[in-house]
Amino acid sequence: NAGVTQTPKFRILKIGQSMTLQCAQDMNHNYMYWYRQDPGMGLKLIYYSVGAGITDKGEVPNGYNVSRSTTEDFPLRLELAAPSQTSVYFCASSSTLNEQFFGPGTRLTVL
Amino acid sequence: AQTVTQSQPEMSVQEAETVTLSCTYDTSESDYYLFWYKQPPSRQMILVIRQEAYKQQNATENRFSVNFQKAAKSFSLKISDSQLGDAAMYFCAYTGQAGTALIFGKGTTLSVSS
Repeated sequence: NAGVTQTPKFRILKIGQSMTLQCAQDMNHNYMYWYRQDPGMGLKLIYYSVGAGITDKGEVPNGYNVSRSTTEDFPLRLELAAPSQTSVYFCASSSTLNEQFFGPGTRLTVL
Repeated sequence: AQTVTQSQPEMSVQEAETVTLSCTYDTSESDYYLFWYKQPPSRQMILVIRQEAYKQQNATENRFSVNFQKAAKSFSLKISDSQLGDAAMYFCAYTGQAGTALIFGKGTTLSVSS
């Protein structure tokens, strides 16, 4: 049982490039989330999903897109990367018990 | 909108001593959950303790306990017998119904000295 996995662990992008951050969970959780954590701050919600085929925006969705074709996977797409998207990205999942399980995070730098 | 406030950016404690981290929140909901997460330098978010709002009894997990004051909307974390491994950033977080996102405070950096 791997829990929540994220790839890659680190990435450096140039301005204007695009990439996909991968997230997978093997706990059969319905709910999945993407957060970003800026230096010295708490996590802020980017997008979330309540099940396969259903996604919705969080607090800071601009510049990102998501899809949820399966229960297990919830990739986050960055189009036209900007320096403001330099952050640490966390994926999380939960069942109906409200406790969220987090992946190890991806540190992204946009130069 | 719900908010979570941690008023202590940094705290320090000596090994074996007790420290309390503060958290207040604002909500109009009656049913919700509160959490404390630990984030060590590895960045991994580790759940320390959780509290259901409908439970009057304060949650306890080994050396970690909370003081939940629902009327005051206060949720502090007490760490007893502090250890060097407790050094980390601690986040207080709130969530409402199942499937809603966590709302985090800005965190408190805890340092532990020997």
